[in-house]
Amino acid sequence: EAEVAQSPRYKITEKSQAVAFWCDPISGHATLYWYRQILGQGPELLVQFQDESVVDDSQLPKDRFSAERLKGVDSTLKIQPAELGDSAMYLCASSLTGTSGYTFGSGTRLTVV
Amino acid sequence: GESVGLHLPTLSVQEGDNSIINCAYSNSASDYFIWYKQESGKGPQFIIDIRSNMDKRQGQRVTVLLNKTVKHLSLQIAATQPGDSAVYFCAEIITNTGNQFYFGTGTSLTVIP
Repeated sequence: EAEVAQSPRYKITEKSQAVAFWCDPISGHATLYWYRQILGQGPELLVQFQDESVVDDSQLPKDRFSAERLKGVDSTLKIQPAELGDSAMYLCASSLTGTSGYTFGSGTRLTVV
Repeated sequence: GESVGLHLPTLSVQEGDNSIINCAYSNSASDYFIWYKQESGKGPQFIIDIRSNMDKRQGQRVTVLLNKTVKHLSLQIAATQPGDSAVYFCAEIITNTGNQFYFGTGTSLTVIP
């Protein structure tokens, strides 16, 4: 069964350091999403790509967060500098058409100390 | 983002009973809804979806009901099993704003053996 791959699974970093997460969507899925999930809450959309283009990054804290999907396949989400409040699960999802087949990866659990 | 709220944050049911998890959504323009199951430390897993032109859809042991008049969504799980214990999220997708997802805070389902 096709999966969305994410790495690393866990990351501990000190505040003010830079951290990056990687996502490889299901092959052929043109739409890719990054979400942040704080413990006990639902996922919050950070950024949405359609192929290599950003469709929506209105909730992305652009002073410290950046996301790219240069070739329209895999994607990287970066935080620099990390803050204590960034501790959360970062989830990646992809879909084939944008209206069906939304599949999530296992996420990256970030702890900022 | 949009508000997708759940009526009950926790739900405990006896094994073998039916479970009903409710969700209220806020945007009448939403035309696609998904229920996800999330186990601890894992990404959300697709359970069932429904489009706004339907009011009921059935899967294996699960049924989703949609009431657009009151903007309410429910997930019914028949013969609940211990493996159903998880957090359940509903999500709404508003296709006229680029297929963004909005999630609620989730309902934690505990199945008592």
